[in-house]
Amino acid sequence: RKEVEQDPGPFNVPEGATVAFNCTYSNSASQSFFWYRQDCRKEPKLLMSVYSSGNEDGRFTAQLNRASQYISLLIRDSKLSDSATYLCVVNSVNTGGFKTIFGAGTRLFVKA
Amino acid sequence: DTEVTQTPKHLVMGMTNKKSLKCEQHMGHRAMYWYKQKAKKPPELMFVYSYEKLSINESVPSRFSPECPNSSLLNLHLHALQPEDSALYLCASSQDRAGAGVPDTQYFGPGTRLTVL
Repeated sequence: RKEVEQDPGPFNVPEGATVAFNCTYSNSASQSFFWYRQDCRKEPKLLMSVYSSGNEDGRFTAQLNRASQYISLLIRDSKLSDSATYLCVVNSVNTGGFKTIFGAGTRLFVKA
Repeated sequence: DTEVTQTPKHLVMGMTNKKSLKCEQHMGHRAMYWYKQKAKKPPELMFVYSYEKLSINESVPSRFSPECPNSSLLNLHLHALQPEDSALYLCASSQDRAGAGVPDTQYFGPGTRLTVL
């Protein structure tokens, strides 16, 4: 089992749709969580950090469920410009130090 | 300002060449990272520097040699690379919550697209 797993893509949605991505992690000692978006041939850009209390930034809402070991990202009222690959990132500490692990990414295509 | 800069943007090199990738940040971050990203794959961590000392080497071949001259600069020296080393090389930086041992949010540079012939 991979340490960080994401929903397989691609997701093809019409403009205005609501879409949700999940990401599961296997290390219960994981400590910080993030969602990044990456456009084709560009670097990953931070979308939002993820907290147990949940956080919202405009049309984007992120949630962390420590008991079930998953994080989620909800995008409301999808825009064409939301088309990208969404990467979940998990940081954890173990006996060897910390680890930063990226999920494989979920591709989103928003169509007119 | 959350800018991390990388040079060059593109690099083509032969298997016998020696080249260097450069990364710079002026956000006062004390942790800097090198990642390798192949097409349609997520970034893979290569090295981490914390307070200018190498803290993590993810079993990277010795043909990749990192260097951190000061807290703002990070280099990756390349020598005798193989064609399979062709990839996007990303630099990132973050605050290092040294007490917690876990990095804060990482900010990425635009990357250097490397082609090894």
